Amino acid sequence: GENVEQHPSTLSVQEGDSAVIKCTYSDSASNYFPWYKQELGKGPQLIIDIRSNVGEKKDQRIAVTLNKTAKHFSLHITETQPEDSAVYFCAASWFGNEKLTFGTGTRLTIIP
Amino acid sequence: KAGVTQTPRYLIKTRGQQVTLSCSPISGHRSVSWYQQTPGQGLQFLFEYFSETQRNKGNFPGRFSGRQFSNSRSEMNVSTLELGDSALYLCASTWDPAVSYEQYFGPGTRLTVT
Repeated sequence: GENVEQHPSTLSVQEGDSAVIKCTYSDSASNYFPWYKQELGKGPQLIIDIRSNVGEKKDQRIAVTLNKTAKHFSLHITETQPEDSAVYFCAASWFGNEKLTFGTGTRLTIIP
Repeated sequence: KAGVTQTPRYLIKTRGQQVTLSCSPISGHRSVSWYQQTPGQGLQFLFEYFSETQRNKGNFPGRFSGRQFSNSRSEMNVSTLELGDSALYLCASTWDPAVSYEQYFGPGTRLTVT
């Protein structure tokens, strides 16, 4: 089955700087890669996603890149703000299969 | 539009008991998936229901079961609770898996087994 690895497990970034979180996946059939943000006491919130026919997608300060050949994808957050502090999860699945396989999470702390 | 709702939000049970958790998807969404989140194992897929049928199942014992009703609401049941079942149980809904990839999560039910 699919296996998703996520690095780093913790990340501290000065406010205003950029943060990058990386994930690799094992199943070449995977074609959908969402990113979730989870704040304390809440469920995961979908923040951005990418499909395998696209190499990059951007939404304001957040961007995701995908390298299908290397089977890895990354989340980029620019101009970080204190409210970006949370745990971020990457995931992978393939179209028609609702099973998301999650990475182990990255605890991002923004230092004011 | 209201998000995914889960009830109850918190639950304390004793080993050997059974528990039923409820999930109401976003209005119009037809697929509901359930996940277990623990510090040790992370987020793990339990099962997915679409049109009242279980279409996909994760690697959990038969003590974990679920169902979906005609209004797309879903319940999951855990029988003969074990200490290791203590976790945050999350459900997620999708509009139509045939055309939509996005899964939206509810706030979860925190289950504590003592």
